[in-house]
Amino acid sequence: EAQVTQNPRYLITVTGKKLTVTCSQNMNHEYMSWYRQDPGLGLRQIYYSMNVEVTDKGDVPEGYKVSRKEKRNFPLILESPSPNQTSLYFCASGGTYNSPLHFGNGTRLTVT
Amino acid sequence: AQRVTQPEKLLSVFKGAPVELKCNYSYSGSPELFWYVQYSRQRLQLLLRHISRESIKGFTADLNKGETSFHLKKPFAQEEDSAMYYCALRWGFNKFYFGSGTKLNVKP
Repeated sequence: EAQVTQNPRYLITVTGKKLTVTCSQNMNHEYMSWYRQDPGLGLRQIYYSMNVEVTDKGDVPEGYKVSRKEKRNFPLILESPSPNQTSLYFCASGGTYNSPLHFGNGTRLTVT
Repeated sequence: AQRVTQPEKLLSVFKGAPVELKCNYSYSGSPELFWYVQYSRQRLQLLLRHISRESIKGFTADLNKGETSFHLKKPFAQEEDSAMYYCALRWGFNKFYFGSGTKLNVKP
């Protein structure tokens, strides 16, 4: 089944403890991106990647890192999480220019 | 800056009534606009996009460049249409801007 898989679905951590949220797609998509969803703000783009080793900042990249060593994987890294990064995170992938975004199920992160 | 506005957080209608979910955008170029939907316990998925000019599940959306709007419409709402709807704008190929979403509740 073609899909985008995020892990974990839920994560509770403490301030400053490094964490990684994984994202994997099996559709051979070149484009992948991360979003955070906050009440009243909709989805905001954190980072995106056009292909392996090609990443760039979205609108809210501060406090996040990404890597794209393989086409299928696009992990989101929080080196030193803070409470203001408590949010619902979505990973998405897309193929050619006219193809839609395919979303993962989301990861709900709580930083205390 | 690109921005997408969905003024209604919640829209409640009765089954069989017409529904219109509003979306306005600000963009200094030729926009590419989408509607995404998230049903309960499911992931976000594409509903329709303006370049396709299609009708999906009875929904249509027309791009009005003069009013910078891309409202989503359906003449007769069904209970299974209850979901969260997001309007989105793509800038270039890389960046997407989403509205804050409208929750549609269709009452029996």
